Amino acid sequence: EAGVVQSPRYKIIEKKQPVAFWCNPISGHNTLYWYRQNLGQGPELLIRYENEEAVDDSQLPKDRFSAERLKGVDSTLKIQPAELGDSAVYLCASGGLSPDRAGANVLTFGAGSRLTVL
Amino acid sequence: QKEVEQNSGPLSVPEGAIASLNCTYSDRGSQSFFWYRQYSGKSPELIMFIYSNGDKEDGRFTAQLNKASQYVSLLIRDSQPSDSATYLCAVRKGGKLIFGQGTELSVKP
Repeated sequence: EAGVVQSPRYKIIEKKQPVAFWCNPISGHNTLYWYRQNLGQGPELLIRYENEEAVDDSQLPKDRFSAERLKGVDSTLKIQPAELGDSAVYLCASGGLSPDRAGANVLTFGAGSRLTVL
Repeated sequence: QKEVEQNSGPLSVPEGAIASLNCTYSDRGSQSFFWYRQYSGKSPELIMFIYSNGDKEDGRFTAQLNKASQYVSLLIRDSQPSDSATYLCAVRKGGKLIFGQGTELSVKP
């Protein structure tokens, strides 16, 4: 099965510029997560979707971050305007039952989008 | 107190030894527990998950869970240099998966 697809893999922008990241989850996975990972830290949840509904966005800095998941499939995470402290890897993950894991509900991550804000 | 805590390491073990990685969590309502491996510059990949108290073995990996002590561990037997990576402990409560900061493991040939 195809994995979680993210783009772009790398993005370098100047502060105050906008940036957007795109994610296509594993087919059939209803749950989609956006995490941010800073160097040397574990992933931190930004937002979680169940189908097209954002069920947990408590950690999303809503003054500059926005996300959407149209039709419950692809998702976009946007930052506007970007700040120096936004430099990180933005990870998308999708959650669903895994036939490889005896049907357990597990998260699978995409390759990530590395953002550098100058 | 962080919800999921791990020693950041680095943990260094010789090739062939047992590597022991530990994790504690604060919420007794946590339902399931995961170990992810993350190579430098790559995204996390799932190694194992455990739901019930006790041990769960998969090849060279054993996950151990003690809910009373709010403690979960990962043992890697016969460690190989290819096991050198950061190991992330994650805890699920409801639909939310919360990660620790990760422990860096280095296996020396």
